[in-house]
Amino acid sequence: DQQVKQNSPSLSVQEGRISILNCDYTNSMFDYFLWYKKYPAEGPTFLISISSIKDKNEDGRFTVFLNKSAKHLSLHIVPSQPGDSAVYFCAASVYKGAQKLVFGQGTRLTINP
Amino acid sequence: NAGVMQNPRHLVRRRGQEARLRCSPMKGHSHVYWYRQLPEEGLKFMVYLQKENIIDESGMPKERFSAEFPKEGPSILRIQQVVRGDSAAYFCASSPARGRDTQYFGPGTRLTVL
Repeated sequence: DQQVKQNSPSLSVQEGRISILNCDYTNSMFDYFLWYKKYPAEGPTFLISISSIKDKNEDGRFTVFLNKSAKHLSLHIVPSQPGDSAVYFCAASVYKGAQKLVFGQGTRLTINP
Repeated sequence: NAGVMQNPRHLVRRRGQEARLRCSPMKGHSHVYWYRQLPEEGLKFMVYLQKENIIDESGMPKERFSAEFPKEGPSILRIQQVVRGDSAAYFCASSPARGRDTQYFGPGTRLTVL
C-alpha cells in the first residue's frame, strides 16, 4: 500500500530552467510534508517542509506547493543548477505523537548544462 | 555541530551472522528514528526511540530485529541471523523533540549479506 507516490522515476531539466517534482498521497490524515534531497552513498538532506494549514512555502530557490483537495504536492526549483542533480524524496507524516515519515519512491533529477 | 553519525558505513555479513548498526544523534537531539531503504525504493520507517524507550516499532519485522537507545551511548539496531533479504541501506535520523521538528539523517550503513 503505497501511501505516498512519486510517479516520475526521473526528470531531466536544462540548467537555469525550472524543475518541477510531483508527489501524490492517499492518506487524508497526513498533515505535514517534507522534501529531501539525496546524493549517492549519502543520507537524505532536508530541503523544505509544509504544514497542511498552508498551501505554499518558499525558501530561496525552493518552493513547495500543497493542494489538499487533490492530495498533491510539488517542489519547484528555480533556477535549476547542476548541483541540484540528485534523487528527491517527498515524505509525509501524521501528527500522532510519533512523527514517523512515509516516503515516496523518489525522483532522479538531472540538470543538463 | 556534528551531524548524525552512523557506523560502520559498510558492513558485510554471511547468512546467519549478527549485524549491529550504530547511530549517534546530533548534539541536543533526544529522538532517534531508523529507516531502511531497499534497492530502487524509498525509505521505510522501522522504529522510533527516545532514551531508554521504544516509542513506535510498528515498522520493525517481528523477528530477528531489535533496537535500543540506552541512557549512555549510541542507538543500536541489531539484526540477528541475517538473511540475503536484509541487504539494504539503513538510515538513522534524529530530531530535538517530538512533533514538528525536522528529522536529520545520517549517512547510512550499507549492509550486504553474502
